[in-house]
Amino acid sequence: QQQVKQSPQSLIVQKGGISIINCAYENTAFDYFPWYQQFPGKGPALLIAIRPDVSEKKEGRFTISFNKSAKQFSLHIMDSQPGDSATYFCAASGGTSGSRLTFGEGTQLTVNP
Amino acid sequence: EAQVTQNPRYLITVTGKKLTVTCSQNMNHEYMSWYRQDPGLGLRQIYYSMNVEVTDKGDVPEGYKVSRKEKRNFPLILESPSPNQTSLYFCASSPLHQLPYEQYFGPGTRLTVT
Repeated sequence: QQQVKQSPQSLIVQKGGISIINCAYENTAFDYFPWYQQFPGKGPALLIAIRPDVSEKKEGRFTISFNKSAKQFSLHIMDSQPGDSATYFCAASGGTSGSRLTFGEGTQLTVNP
Repeated sequence: EAQVTQNPRYLITVTGKKLTVTCSQNMNHEYMSWYRQDPGLGLRQIYYSMNVEVTDKGDVPEGYKVSRKEKRNFPLILESPSPNQTSLYFCASSPLHQLPYEQYFGPGTRLTVT
């Protein structure tokens, strides 16, 4: 059972456009929501994260929007660049899972020049 | 350089032939974990360890074993590999005080079981 569902599975965006990746979770006890970025041939690396006491967090061109009532959160990449082409994973932790991370299915982002 | 290393990076083996994938970190992290990555399924945790001699099952532990005899090493053992264990495997580590905020992942091991 996938506790964190991610969409879309793949996304193609033109350079300069906005990339949006969505995630939905089921466990209301989750209290930490990170996004990991993975380049081909590499392991995932933490990109940005949010706690449910805020609705938005921005770091440079990357923004997480969080909707606690809907149990959804999303990653927005503004002014997308070809160097952003990677696989993105949302994740969640907390509650009975403790510090363990539950990952979404992943989104392969391609930014065309 | 602070890093998590995995060996081998690529491995092709046959059903039933025992294998070990090594994982080592040089950051003195207490927490170490193994994940497998499969298309459409994301990353799923196999086993994790909060410290030396302390290990616990993740979401998909069947067919795998681990040990944590030293702080820096966390090998993944497949006693009798089967084709459904063909996957991309990642080891990760983190200092306990930093959980769950950031885990540091190794470069991955691509395993094919024929």
